[in-house]
Amino acid sequence: RKEVEQDPGPFNVPEGATVAFNCTYSNSASQSFFWYRQDCRKEPKLLMSVYSSGNEDGRFTAQLNRASQYISLLIRDSKLSDSATYLCVVNINTGFQKLVFGTGTRLLVSP
Amino acid sequence: GAVVSQHPSWVICKSGTSVKIECRSLDFQATTMFWYRQFPKQSLMLMATSNEGSKATYEQGVEKDKFLINHASLTLSTLTVTSAHPEDSSFYICSAKTGGYEKLFFGSGTQLSVL
Repeated sequence: RKEVEQDPGPFNVPEGATVAFNCTYSNSASQSFFWYRQDCRKEPKLLMSVYSSGNEDGRFTAQLNRASQYISLLIRDSKLSDSATYLCVVNINTGFQKLVFGTGTRLLVSP
Repeated sequence: GAVVSQHPSWVICKSGTSVKIECRSLDFQATTMFWYRQFPKQSLMLMATSNEGSKATYEQGVEKDKFLINHASLTLSTLTVTSAHPEDSSFYICSAKTGGYEKLFFGSGTQLSVL
């Protein structure tokens, strides 16, 4: 089983739609969680950290369920500029800390 | 925010040659830098953790003699792909953190193509 699993997509949605991505992780010792955005052949950029209580940043909402080892990202009112690959990233502590990246979920927002 | 500069952005080389990639933290000191590799449609895979003034820590399956890492100063880490082969063609990217992982900054990446 992969340490971090995501549906690769692509998710094709019209502008204005709401879309949700899910991510599961296998290591229960995982300490911190992030969503990154990556455009084609560019470096990943931090979108938001994910907190146990859930957190929101504008149109983006992240949720964490430690019991189910599940993370989600909700994007409301999708914009064309939201088209990108969204990476679920987990900080795993196996004696030393290490970031593990999911393969990403590709989002395509169309006019 | 913090800036990490990576050069070159892309490189094309012949099989058997060596390629050096530089990663610099421009406005902060980075005792630890990370090197990743990303093949098309795959996730970033951590290759090694570069520690200033000491040997890098390589992930399982990454050949340390092939991927030489030097972190001689608090602002510069280099990755040298020695005797590159076509299967080494990939997107290489570095990162550095100033504190916890919420303060992780990436370089812009290097696309390596080995002919």
